[in-house]
Amino acid sequence: EAQVTQNPRYLITVTGKKLTVTCSQNMNHEYMSWYRQDPGLGLRQIYYSMNVEVTDKGDVPEGYKVSRKEKRNFPLILESPSPNQTSLYFCASSLWGGGYEQYFGPGTRLTVT
Amino acid sequence: GIQVEQSPPDLILQEGANSTLRCNFSDSVNNLQWFHQNPWGQLINLFYIPSGTKQNGRLSATTVATERYSLLYISSSQTTDSGVYFCAVLHEQGGKLIFGQGTELSVKP
Repeated sequence: EAQVTQNPRYLITVTGKKLTVTCSQNMNHEYMSWYRQDPGLGLRQIYYSMNVEVTDKGDVPEGYKVSRKEKRNFPLILESPSPNQTSLYFCASSLWGGGYEQYFGPGTRLTVT
Repeated sequence: GIQVEQSPPDLILQEGANSTLRCNFSDSVNNLQWFHQNPWGQLINLFYIPSGTKQNGRLSATTVATERYSLLYISSSQTTDSGVYFCAVLHEQGGKLIFGQGTELSVKP
């Protein structure tokens, strides 16, 4: 089944404890992206990747890192999480970044205390 | 940048009723998608519809790109249709989707 998977789905952590949210797609997509969703602010792009080893900042990259060492995986790294990073996170992928349908993962609910 | 506006913001329906959700966008786009966010937070792809009309069961969508709007039709609504419906358009730089603020639909039995 073609899909985007994320892990973990739910996470409660403490300020400053490094964490990684994994994202994987099995559709051989070139483009992958991370969004966060917050009440009143909607969905905002954090980082994106047009291809392997090519990543760039979205609208709200502060406090996050990403890497794209292989096509299928695009992990989101929070080196020192803070409470303002409490959010619902989505990974997305598409065949290419220029106009193709984007598919979203199931989301990761992160709480930082 | 592109602005995406959805209406109405909230909608309450009785089961079996029909509804139309609207999405207006401020500039030409190459991609428009409709999503349903269910009560568990998952974003479900409904339609990829940069132009024209598509149907999938009780749902259909029409995009008139030249007039910069899209419509999502839900017929014979069911309680499982409840949730938030988003339209999103593609921003060329970085492939970023620009989301509307959503229409929150509640279908009562």
